[in-house]
Amino acid sequence: SAVISQKPSRDICQRGTSLTIQCQVDSQVTMMFWYRQQPGQSLTLIATANQGSEATYESGFVIDKFPISRPNLTFSTLTVSNMSPEDSSIYLCSVAGTSGQPSGTQYFGPGTRLTVL
Amino acid sequence: AQSVTQPDIHITVSEGASLELRCNYSYGATPYLFWYVQSPGQGLQLLLKYFSGDTLVQGIKGFEAEFKRSQSSFNLRKPSVHWSDAAEYFCAVGEDDYKLSFGAGTTVTVRA
Repeated sequence: SAVISQKPSRDICQRGTSLTIQCQVDSQVTMMFWYRQQPGQSLTLIATANQGSEATYESGFVIDKFPISRPNLTFSTLTVSNMSPEDSSIYLCSVAGTSGQPSGTQYFGPGTRLTVL
Repeated sequence: AQSVTQPDIHITVSEGASLELRCNYSYGATPYLFWYVQSPGQGLQLLLKYFSGDTLVQGIKGFEAEFKRSQSSFNLRKPSVHWSDAAEYFCAVGEDDYKLSFGAGTTVTVRA
């Protein structure tokens, strides 16, 4: 399976600021996704990061709050904008469509643990 | 819309005992089914997946799961639990557009 890294692994931020999270894959992938995992909760899909076009957001998530870029087939960023304490979560990147694997299988990065004060 | 139910929020099991985690799904077509494990402070690791074929699926770390279409279930089992199996376990259902819907998760505690 693909090796996925995320930066930063964790951060503590002040409310009102923004944080950009990077997701890097060691091989080209078809699909990249961003999830949020609030404390003690399951995963919620934020958006699908589309290469070369605007991301596709799920209900309840908007581009102004969570702008996403995907300039190529191995890299994506998620920005959490104008943060509030409610944004304190783990943010996970996942990929699907890796070489040699069934296209429906998603593999996850290690996550970015964000705390907003 | 599809949904995933994990009825057990928390399970405690003795080391060496067997473990079964329940997962029920609601989906119109034949689903893609997954089990992931999340150790404290870690990302999600894929344990096993079912796409088609044999309904008993073998995964990593000695886990297996059985797809039962009649019961809309995909329960995860391990015959003998190790202390390192203490973690959060998530069942997920996939659609043709690659999206996953996750269950709420089951926390497994292993006692000595």
